[in-house]
Amino acid sequence: EAQVTQNPRYLITVTGKKLTVTCSQNMNHEYMSWYRQDPGLGLRQIYYSMNVEVTDKGDVPEGYKVSRKEKRNFPLILESPSPNQTSLYFCASSLSVGTGEDYGYTFGSGTRLTVV
Amino acid sequence: QKEVEQNSGPLSVPEGAIASLNCTYSDRGSQSFFWYRQYSGKSPELIMSIYSNGDKEDGRFTAQLNKASQYVSLLIRDSQPSDSATYLCAVNVGRYNQGGKLIFGQGTELSVKP
Repeated sequence: EAQVTQNPRYLITVTGKKLTVTCSQNMNHEYMSWYRQDPGLGLRQIYYSMNVEVTDKGDVPEGYKVSRKEKRNFPLILESPSPNQTSLYFCASSLSVGTGEDYGYTFGSGTRLTVV
Repeated sequence: QKEVEQNSGPLSVPEGAIASLNCTYSDRGSQSFFWYRQYSGKSPELIMSIYSNGDKEDGRFTAQLNKASQYVSLLIRDSQPSDSATYLCAVNVGRYNQGGKLIFGQGTELSVKP
């Protein structure tokens, strides 16, 4: 089944303890992205990647890191989580995003992160 | 700051009616536009994409794009209670070397009453 898989689904952690949220897609998609969703603020893009080793900042990159060493994986790293990073996080991937043939993003099931 | 604006709703329509959802965007150079549906507690699901001015129909859904007015809309005909969800408008604001920069509106909550 074609899908974007995120892990874990739920995570509670303490301030300052480094964590990684994994994301993997099995559709050979070029593009991958991370979003966070907060009440009243909607979906905001954190980082996106156009291919292996090519990443760029979205609108809210502060406090996050990403890497794209393999085409299928795009982990989100929080080096020193803070309570304001408590949110619902979505990973997404797309065959092609931009002008011309543009298929839009397919989203994973989400990771609900709580930082206390 | 490039923006995508939607009325937050809730928009309430009776079963069988046409639901009309609207979206405006600020980046005049945007080329790709999307509508996503998100049920409560679930991830966004792509339902329509549109790139050219005019209408694009897919089943009960019609997307409309007017680049001169920077306006995108989604019409849902014969609305069903199962259409009750939040509808997100998304705009790709990236250029050829920035494909992937997709920004979202805050969403319009639709409620279809039986």
